[in-house]
Amino acid sequence: DTAVSQTPKYLVTQMGNDKSIKCEQNLGHDTMYWYKQDSKKFLKIMFSYNNKELIINETVPNRFSPKSPDKAHLNLHINSLELGDSAVYFCASSSGTGWGANVLTFGAGSRLTVL
Amino acid sequence: AQSVTQLGSLVSVSEGALVLLRCNYSSSVPPYLFWYVQYPNQGLQLLLKYTTGATLVKGINGFEAEFKKSETSFHLTKPSAHMSDAAEYFCAVTHPGNNTNAGKSTFGDGTTLTVKP
Repeated sequence: DTAVSQTPKYLVTQMGNDKSIKCEQNLGHDTMYWYKQDSKKFLKIMFSYNNKELIINETVPNRFSPKSPDKAHLNLHINSLELGDSAVYFCASSSGTGWGANVLTFGAGSRLTVL
Repeated sequence: AQSVTQLGSLVSVSEGALVLLRCNYSSSVPPYLFWYVQYPNQGLQLLLKYTTGATLVKGINGFEAEFKKSETSFHLTKPSAHMSDAAEYFCAVTHPGNNTNAGKSTFGDGTTLTVKP
């Protein structure tokens, strides 16, 4: 059983399109995240949800909209895709916020290529 | 604010040699520190972590790291490199506490470890 699963694994699309990436975790964790890894492998946090509530929202264009229907799911919708959105997007989860070790469990990533 | 600096974006060692990957951090409060490993086309996996207590922490695959507060460092070592250790390694710092920054992990830029036969 995959702990954090993301779909799709690969996504190739044209500029201007809208796309979504889905994430599900079966670890019972309270907190989920979206990270973006660019072509140089730099990893930046985008969003974090705790029990369906947005708690971290980094400087990300409004074209990116996360949605958490329940604490086991965190989806990422991207409008009007641009070339610079090409990256690997990682979903992650952890067992809590605040005091705690906050070990992140990552999904395998979704590689988005915008042509 | 917290930050992480990994010195050396590329480290190359021979099989059987010592592995040393450097990580320095900046944090306004005592941090939680982590090393993650990323194998090609995979997500990141936890190697080891430091929260409190013993400053020398041991992780999986023979890796260990030592928290040195005076040097604000958390370098990763392994006595003898194996070919399977070739991967991308990320140091991360998390801000503990209950404010808005709590739980936010900041990652270093990563170090690519190559192991020569």
